[in-house]
Amino acid sequence: GQNIDQPTEMTATEGAIVQINCTYQTSGFNGLFWYQQHAGEAPTFLSYNVLDGLEEKGRFSSFLSRSKGYSYLLLKELQMKDSASYLCAVMDSNYQLIWGAGTKLIIKP
Amino acid sequence: GAVVSQHPSWVICKSGTSVKIECRSLDFQATTMFWYRQFPKQSLMLMATSNEGSKATYEQGVEKDKFLINHASLTLSTLTVTSAHPEDSSFYICSARDSGLADSYEQYFGPGTRLTVT
Repeated sequence: GQNIDQPTEMTATEGAIVQINCTYQTSGFNGLFWYQQHAGEAPTFLSYNVLDGLEEKGRFSSFLSRSKGYSYLLLKELQMKDSASYLCAVMDSNYQLIWGAGTKLIIKP
Repeated sequence: GAVVSQHPSWVICKSGTSVKIECRSLDFQATTMFWYRQFPKQSLMLMATSNEGSKATYEQGVEKDKFLINHASLTLSTLTVTSAHPEDSSFYICSARDSGLADSYEQYFGPGTRLTVT
């Protein structure tokens, strides 16, 4: 079966750094997405990785290792507005997105 | 660019009535749109893939006669929840792929529609 695993909840301090991990087992791989979702709102796109390595975009970075079926999202200089759920999604061989359950990130002052 | 709208943003209806939700790609054409449902504190669940000019592909466990999908144009897909019941209360989100971009599989999400059935 297809499976995406990520922690249910994480807590971090404003100004700090947090890493949200995602492991996956899917039928085929055509890229991995990270989305941010605030409560009651639709997801917004953060990053897309299809090759191994680190993609940096401002305060957010995303890493992928296809051989390990592993990705992480790194958030630096955390701000209160970063409190949200972070969804990991893998595009399988049929170009369908397989979604993780999301990681709720709580930022404390 | 790549804006997707949904209408209505929220709706309250009585049990047994039908509700139509519209999903529009405002500045691009989308031959493929997706309908998701999300219950509180859960992740997105794909309900169906909507293809312009053809029948939608439903995920296992989703009743196609209850959740009617019509994708009549390259910028509009509609989801009709027929004979709605309280257990259909959920957050419905659509997304769309830009068919004008070759090899692009990114999905652009609408803002979602919160349905409450009383």
